[in-house]
Amino acid sequence: KQEVTQIPAALSVPEGENLVLNCSFTDSAIYNLQWFRQDPGKGLTSLLLIQSSQREQTSGRLNASLDKSSGRSTLYIAASQPGDSATYLCCLTGGGNKLTFGTGTQLKVEL
Amino acid sequence: DAGVTQSPTHLIKTRGQQVTLRCSPKSGHDTVSWYQQALGQGPQFIFQYYEEEERQRGNFPDRFSGHQFPNYSSELNVNALLLGDSALYLCASSVGGNYGYTFGSGTRLTVV
Repeated sequence: KQEVTQIPAALSVPEGENLVLNCSFTDSAIYNLQWFRQDPGKGLTSLLLIQSSQREQTSGRLNASLDKSSGRSTLYIAASQPGDSATYLCCLTGGGNKLTFGTGTQLKVEL
Repeated sequence: DAGVTQSPTHLIKTRGQQVTLRCSPKSGHDTVSWYQQALGQGPQFIFQYYEEEERQRGNFPDRFSGHQFPNYSSELNVNALLLGDSALYLCASSVGGNYGYTFGSGTRLTVV
């Protein structure tokens, strides 16, 4: 059974700081890994998708990496802004196209 | 290009009642999955539909059932509602599941 862990559970940083969110998983037999953002009470917004054959993806200030052999992914956010405040979820697609989510990292970027 | 549309956005039901939630997938997507997200938790997989059939199911009781229509839209039905069914229900669509998922804004169900 796939287990996904996200560390830290919560993070508070001053505006402008670069930060790294971590995701670890137990089963490396995955199709892809996707990072989502969720604002309070809202649905999920896809940030980055990394196919299993890829190592990283970049979009603007965001960079996500995937290391299947070690069961790890990181989401790097550069020059953080208050608008980045949200919960960030790591999600893996495994056998049968079933998604397994981590419990998320709650990020607060302060002025 | 419309994304995933869910209705209703909010719903209040009484314990023991039945509820139906609806989802229209993103244009071009043929696979629909449903997730339950309790407060402070990550989404939990309920089931996935493809070609009008349930393809995968998570660890949810038979009170949770679904349907996919020929136009790929989907319904989630929950019978005999319990207080513990209160959650945000998310629908996600994809093309076969290998190219990432698009989520709707969810339906907030409150059981009283």
